[in-house]
Amino acid sequence: SAVISQKPSRDICQRGTSLTIQCQVDSQVTMMFWYRQQPGQSLTLIATANQGSEATYESGFVIDKFPISRPNLTFSTLTVSNMSPEDSSIYLCSVFVEPYEQYFGPGTRLTVT
Amino acid sequence: GQNIDQPTEMTATEGAIVQINCTYQTSGFNGLFWYQQHAGEAPTFLSYNVLDGLEEKGRFSSFLSRSKGYSYLLLKELQMKDSASYLCAVRDNYGQNFVFGPGTRLSVLP
Repeated sequence: SAVISQKPSRDICQRGTSLTIQCQVDSQVTMMFWYRQQPGQSLTLIATANQGSEATYESGFVIDKFPISRPNLTFSTLTVSNMSPEDSSIYLCSVFVEPYEQYFGPGTRLTVT
Repeated sequence: GQNIDQPTEMTATEGAIVQINCTYQTSGFNGLFWYQQHAGEAPTFLSYNVLDGLEEKGRFSSFLSRSKGYSYLLLKELQMKDSASYLCAVRDNYGQNFVFGPGTRLSVLP
């Protein structure tokens, strides 16, 4: 199993600013994901962040807007840059432990005003 | 393309059995997953199918038919605490991508 913590748990930010979300895992894992979840909606994968390689972004998400760092096997950050109200959402990190278990962090609730 | 469908909402009675269906059309397949998500909380893993057939885990069972692009989650002896959203997700061939369905919001009534 894996226990994941995220910081901050929530934040209210002004348009045009940036926020960096931290994700800490209690064990070493290779595969880590960042998701976005609008209230009442399902999860949308933003990017895959494996240690030792560049993050892989899904269609509709770009590195300039959502830069990701993965300096080691227990930590990652996602930055939401130049925010607009459309970026208001819950951001979750998760780790995948083969062969089939995916664990999620508690999420970061972001509101952009 | 990637497309996963689930019913939006379902209602069932405490003690009953409910089946939540999931159909998928994805460019690759390396497993189907079910997650439970209570309001305001993170999703938690329920079950995993990669081969056809039924996987049983206590009150929860999940079925997969790869040829039909179809899965269901079966919840038995429903309890009030089972009221939650249930998310179906497919992992692609390369294992680097998870596609989530829209989720089914289940309400269990007394």
